[in-house]
Amino acid sequence: GEDVEQSLFLSVREGDSSVINCTYTDSSSTYLYWYKQEPGAGLQLLTYIFSNMDMKQDQRLTVLLNKKDKHLSLRIADTQTGDSAIYFCAEIFSGGYNKLIFGAGTRLAVHP
Amino acid sequence: DGGITQSPKYLFRKEGQNVTLSCEQNLNHDAMYWYRQDPGQGLRLIYYSQIVNDFQKGDIAEGYSVSREKKESFPLTVTSAQKNPTAFYLCASSIKGAQLAFFGQGTRLTVV
Repeated sequence: GEDVEQSLFLSVREGDSSVINCTYTDSSSTYLYWYKQEPGAGLQLLTYIFSNMDMKQDQRLTVLLNKKDKHLSLRIADTQTGDSAIYFCAEIFSGGYNKLIFGAGTRLAVHP
Repeated sequence: DGGITQSPKYLFRKEGQNVTLSCEQNLNHDAMYWYRQDPGQGLRLIYYSQIVNDFQKGDIAEGYSVSREKKESFPLTVTSAQKNPTAFYLCASSIKGAQLAFFGQGTRLTVV
């Protein structure tokens, strides 16, 4: 089946690291994504990882992929108030036509 | 600049009326998608199209219709048959296979 699960809320102090977790179901997914949504806006592609990778680092962002457990995480180092947003995990579900399946999103709140 | 343009940003509709949301992309992407987002929820797929003159129903297609007469355009019509149309609608496009999808800024539809 198609299902991507995320915790709904995360609160962190400014300057700390944030870790947002996600589990997915389709083991054949070639790409896994993290999107960011600010209030009233569309989704911004933040980063992605190929399924043959275990880790990807891009400036303050680190993506970890555990294919055995179908677990994906996004770590934001030195979290800033501008990082406050909803973060969506997504996978490509290969069921005939490829389509993106999203989690419900994790709302990240950064406080002083 | 390349990107996806959704219009209008805000749309008000009277009950019983059909309304069409515009989505245009100049990224030369083959695939286009429409998602619906309700407050506090993730994105649900309405329709998707992998190629011109072809489209498939997503998870919540009832009460919606689409067309794909041109590669760059994928308009969504919300019909009077859609019982609860008030939502935030997001259009996306990608290279084939749902890889690296990019989103427009969304249209907020309110039924009055």
